[in-house]
Amino acid sequence: AQKVTQAQTEISVVEKEDVTLDCVYETRDTTYYLFWYKQPPSGELVFLIRRNSFDEQNEISGRYSWNFQKSTSSFNFTITASQVVDSAVYFCALSEAGSNDYKLSFGAGTTVTVRA
Amino acid sequence: GAGVSQSPSNKVTEKGKDVELRCDPISGHTALYWYRQSLGQGLEFLIYFQGNSAPDKSGLPSDRFSAERTGGSVSTLTIQRTQQEDSAVYLCASSLNRGNEKLFFGSGTQLSVL
Repeated sequence: AQKVTQAQTEISVVEKEDVTLDCVYETRDTTYYLFWYKQPPSGELVFLIRRNSFDEQNEISGRYSWNFQKSTSSFNFTITASQVVDSAVYFCALSEAGSNDYKLSFGAGTTVTVRA
Repeated sequence: GAGVSQSPSNKVTEKGKDVELRCDPISGHTALYWYRQSLGQGLEFLIYFQGNSAPDKSGLPSDRFSAERTGGSVSTLTIQRTQQEDSAVYLCASSLNRGNEKLFFGSGTQLSVL
């Protein structure tokens, strides 16, 4: 069963537009962690954020912000005033508590293209 | 360098041949992971090493796949008798400790089986 769903396969925007990436997850655990990773063309995934299930505060880091809503099992990611350097594949991932907490379940990824 | 290093970056092989993929994690990181990324899909967990503990091999897709980690550092993923469906990017990652921590990924090995 798919634990993490990223419904948007590709998004294309013009520079300076905002872009929101959707992530819906599925788990029966009450303790879990959610992640976002960025994969630029170089191929190396870069960690962006980790959020635990007990912290529903939204987070902002520069032009990036995250909206965690347990009621809808969503952890959406917004890039404000996008730039060409934001072009990449973005992955949402889930880690469930327990002895296998090191296993990340990744979504299929959303390819973001920012055009100048 | 200071990051996770993988080699080769690209590997083209013929069906039926064996291949070895290498991962050199960040020094001091006790946890090492292998993931597989197929075209248009997310990352698929393959195997996890933590210190001197027995690895979690539950994600290996068949007995043609095996992995070792020598001296708690470098890891080698071996695929025997490669098949075309093995074509993918193989990503290695490491983290400081076990668990659901920030992972540091290498750039991957693009494997193409002809």
